[in-house]
Amino acid sequence: AQTVTQSQPEMSVQEAETVTLSCTYDTSESDYYLFWYKQPPSRQMILVIRQEAYKQQNATENRFSVNFQKAAKSFSLKISDSQLGDAAMYFCAYQQAGTALIFGKGTTLSVSS
Amino acid sequence: EPEVTQTPSHQVTQMGQEVILRCVPISNHLYFYWYRQILGQKVEFLVSFYNNEISEKSEIFDDQFSVERPDGSNFTLKIRSTKLEDSAMYFCASSELLQNTEAFFGQGTRLTVV
Repeated sequence: AQTVTQSQPEMSVQEAETVTLSCTYDTSESDYYLFWYKQPPSRQMILVIRQEAYKQQNATENRFSVNFQKAAKSFSLKISDSQLGDAAMYFCAYQQAGTALIFGKGTTLSVSS
Repeated sequence: EPEVTQTPSHQVTQMGQEVILRCVPISNHLYFYWYRQILGQKVEFLVSFYNNEISEKSEIFDDQFSVERPDGSNFTLKIRSTKLEDSAMYFCASSELLQNTEAFFGQGTRLTVV
């Protein structure tokens, strides 16, 4: 069965600095998708960024970018120029073609001014 | 902007009672999901629904649970004979396609079983 591991229960960063959240996954599939979701205190799940496994180029969305290492099964999220509004729980998720999302346990990110 | 709507936002029920959690997915979406998040833990998949039938379910989704799309807009999760360990945040989500597309999540229903 596929698993998603987020080894950092908590991370902290100062405003305007850069932080990287780690995620590893285990799969024997070659066709899959990876996502980072943000869960602010309101508890709603918001998609931050997604990556198709067949694409070598790392996905980027404004201040958010990923470092996708397929051979290492690693999918880290980099947040540049951190803002107070970035404080939230971040979940890494895996999706095999035709199945639902599998989430990691999450990383709580705090941002200080 | 279209959104997934869940009601109620918070439900308190006594152990052994039945609850129905309601969701209105985004209108042109075809796939619907329920996920559960026990406080402080990861988000767990319960069930996916497509074309008026369950397409996938997890081990958590046992006979205690059922889903239904009673009309063209609502998608419900019924929990029969609730247990204390059913206390969690329940998220509904919908997507246009099954894969590689954004799953839009509702704001969640916090279920408390006492």
